[in-house]
Amino acid sequence: DTGVSQDPRHKITKRGQNVTFRCDPISEHNRLYWYRQTLGQGPEFLTYFQNEAQLEKSRLLSDRFSAERPKGSFSTLEIQRTEQGDSAMYLCASSLWAGGTYGANEQYFGPGTRLTVT
Amino acid sequence: KQEVTQIPAALSVPEGENLVLNCSFTDSAIYNLQWFRQDPGKGLTSLLLIQSSQREQTSGRLNASLDKSSGRSTLYIAASQPGDSATYLCAVRPNNYGQNFVFGPGTRLSVLP
Repeated sequence: DTGVSQDPRHKITKRGQNVTFRCDPISEHNRLYWYRQTLGQGPEFLTYFQNEAQLEKSRLLSDRFSAERPKGSFSTLEIQRTEQGDSAMYLCASSLWAGGTYGANEQYFGPGTRLTVT
Repeated sequence: KQEVTQIPAALSVPEGENLVLNCSFTDSAIYNLQWFRQDPGKGLTSLLLIQSSQREQTSGRLNASLDKSSGRSTLYIAASQPGDSATYLCAVRPNNYGQNFVFGPGTRLSVLP
């Protein structure tokens, strides 16, 4: 396994269009995270899954955003009716949570999908 | 709410210098802290992870320390090289806010040959 992969790497879309991004985590990892990063800032947490269950969502995740991980493997992040403010790098990370309330799970990040909304 | 800051925002040094990057967090009740490197337009590469019970971690020319009580971590880079030029981000996992990280804004490092 070569790590976390994301597709596409770059996406340019017009305002109002829908876009979907895909993340393939490291194969044995049971947790998958989505972050958004704008220029000059650190990543901001959006949501995370344990297997197929979406366990936490940030207030940044508006109704136009939806994420799925239907089989507990890859995940998709869809943005409906895109706005110029959605332009950012969308990062995916995965980790192996071994159990316990605070499992020491180190996150491994993918290369990101850069979205530009014109 | 946990907030993470990093100083300086940008740093430029000549090759060979030893340097220190600083990270501060407002809530000392963290579970762990992780330092990442990010090259322009790329994803994040994990450098060092320090559990809350640890004081420091070392990997090659990198040494990260953690002082939970004062809400500080430092990343020490020895004998800097031009290939070290990147943005360095620290992130904390708070005890009570789920399993996600809270990131700082990063320090942009340039090592001049």
